[in-house]
Amino acid sequence: GNSVTQMEGPVTLSEEAFLTINCTYTATGYPSLFWYVQYPGEGLQLLLKATKADDKGSNKGFEATYRKETTSFHLEKGSVQVSDSAVYFCALTLYSSASKIIFGSGTRLSIRP
Amino acid sequence: SAVISQKPSRDICQRGTSLTIQCQVDSQVTMMFWYRQQPGQSLTLIATANQGSEATYESGFVIDKFPISRPNLTFSTLTVSNMSPEDSSIYLCSVAVNRGDYGYTFGSGTRLTVV
Repeated sequence: GNSVTQMEGPVTLSEEAFLTINCTYTATGYPSLFWYVQYPGEGLQLLLKATKADDKGSNKGFEATYRKETTSFHLEKGSVQVSDSAVYFCALTLYSSASKIIFGSGTRLSIRP
Repeated sequence: SAVISQKPSRDICQRGTSLTIQCQVDSQVTMMFWYRQQPGQSLTLIATANQGSEATYESGFVIDKFPISRPNLTFSTLTVSNMSPEDSSIYLCSVAVNRGDYGYTFGSGTRLTVV
């Protein structure tokens, strides 16, 4: 079946540290891949996306590259800020099944000043 | 992308009662989706709401517990019926942008506490 596996949290880093949150997927077709962010007390916001292999999504200093050979979509940021503290969800959709967005379990990120 | 207004943003309800959550979209969309996010958990799809037809429920969710209305292409409601403390969650509605290839837009969520 189709699924998303992401790094267990919580992850705690110091401000300006380098961030990687791992995400791998299993899909029967050619998925589109997403990272969503949920700030405390808020709903989900789309952070970035990639719709085909080797695409790089980027936004707010975050990046993720769609790696078909390793079925991965790891989220990275070179220098995190306290305001990046949130829960991050990796997700996929399949064009053949557009009504389904499959989420990973979420990774809680806390940044220390 | 679409903008979704969801209300109420939060509520505290007595067990055995029902709560109806509303989502209004600023553009016409074919499908709307309802999710539940239990404390500290990821999102679970409850059902897909199509205009003019019955909602499609995921395994583990039934219409009697979570009736959905979809009277037009910009509006939907989800009712949580006969509530128990186990229903305490965040409920979110969502719409797909370009069949989901461009992502999904989510409402701000309804934080429900059942006492």
